[in-house]
Order: sequence, then C-alpha cells, then structure tokens
Amino acid sequence: NAGVTQTPKFQVLKTGQSMTLQCAQDMNHEYMSWYRQDPGMGLRLIHYSVGAGITDQGEVPNGYNVSRSTTEDFPLRLLSAAPSQTSVYFCASSNRGQGVAGYTFGSGTRLTVV
Amino acid sequence: GEDVEQSLFLSVREGDSSVINCTYTDSSSTYLYWYKQEPGAGLQLLTYIFSNMDMKQDQRLTVLLNKKDKHLSLRIADTQTGDSAIYFCAESRQGGKLIFGQGTELSVKP
Repeated sequence: NAGVTQTPKFQVLKTGQSMTLQCAQDMNHEYMSWYRQDPGMGLRLIHYSVGAGITDQGEVPNGYNVSRSTTEDFPLRLLSAAPSQTSVYFCASSNRGQGVAGYTFGSGTRLTVV
Repeated sequence: GEDVEQSLFLSVREGDSSVINCTYTDSSSTYLYWYKQEPGAGLQLLTYIFSNMDMKQDQRLTVLLNKKDKHLSLRIADTQTGDSAIYFCAESRQGGKLIFGQGTELSVKP
C-alpha cells in the first residue's frame, strides 16, 4: 500500500515550458486535491476533485489545469511555467466521511522555474 | 489560506510549554487539524479535534477549541528541541478540502 505517490520529487523548468506533476493514490479515495506551499503563506489549495470526472478550482487555480479521468490519478498541468510558480507542490487524498485522519499527503514536488 | 490565521513565529525554552494559536472563519467545519512539518519534509498529522468538542488531550498535546470565537490552540507540554518545526492548523471543508493557516515556526532553545 503506497498511499499517495507524487512524481517527480524535484524539477527545474524554464519559463514558458510545460509539464505535468503526477499524483496517484491506491486507497480508492474519492477526494483528491493539489496544494502549493510558499514561505509564510502556508498551503494554498489549487484544484480539487470529489470523484472521477469532477474537478473544481481552489484558492489559486490560475496557470494550472487538472483532470480526473480515473479515481487513482489526479495530474496537475502547468501549460506555460512562470517564475511565480516556483513552489513545493503537495497532493492529498481523502475518503468521504473519513475526516478523522482521513487526509493522506504525498511527499511533495519541489519545482523551480528559471 | 486566507480564512485561517496564525502567528508566524514562536520561540520557547526547552522544558517550557508552547501555545500555538489559530483563528478560522467557517463555522460549519467538521474537523480541525494540527499538522507538523519538519525542514524539507512533508506534512505529519499531529492531532485533530471534532467540532463538537471543547478539548482534546493526547500525551503532551492539548487542543482547545472555542467555537464561539472560532479560536483553536495547540499546547505542547515540556517542549523539546525535537519539537522545532512549522505547525499548521487546518479546517476541513466540503469536498475533501483542507484550508490551512500560514504556519507557525516554533523554535525551541536549549
């Protein structure tokens, strides 16, 4: 049981490049979400999904796209990377009704845009 | 998270108690959480409290919840140098969303 797996762990992009951050969970969780962490700002919600085929925007969605074609996977796409997107990205999953310790986080992807 | 507020820094001496405070805005939150993050690491769930509780104690950790004032606190008794980390409070929202505070950096001096 791997939990939530994020790849890659580290990435350097040039401004304007595109890439996809991968997130996969093997716990059959319905809910998945993406956060970015910046110093002094905590974790901010980018996008979230309540099930396959359903996604919605969080606090800071601009510059990011998501899709949820399967329960297991929730990739985050940067179409044209900008230096402001330099951050640490965390993916999380949880199951409906399991609020108690029900959130599982990946180990993070550290992205630098130069 | 813009709706959850924490002070950014706290410094204590080893052996003292630490109290980290948090205010939130959504009165419908079911669960409130405290997470710990050590340098370069991910998030570790420390403890949580259900919204119909006023207090929860778990070994050295005590969580107090004042729903009227939407105030949450985490008390760490006998603080150790290994407790130095960033502590985040978070509230649960519908759809599996967590809204985080900015994080409080706890520094424990020997």
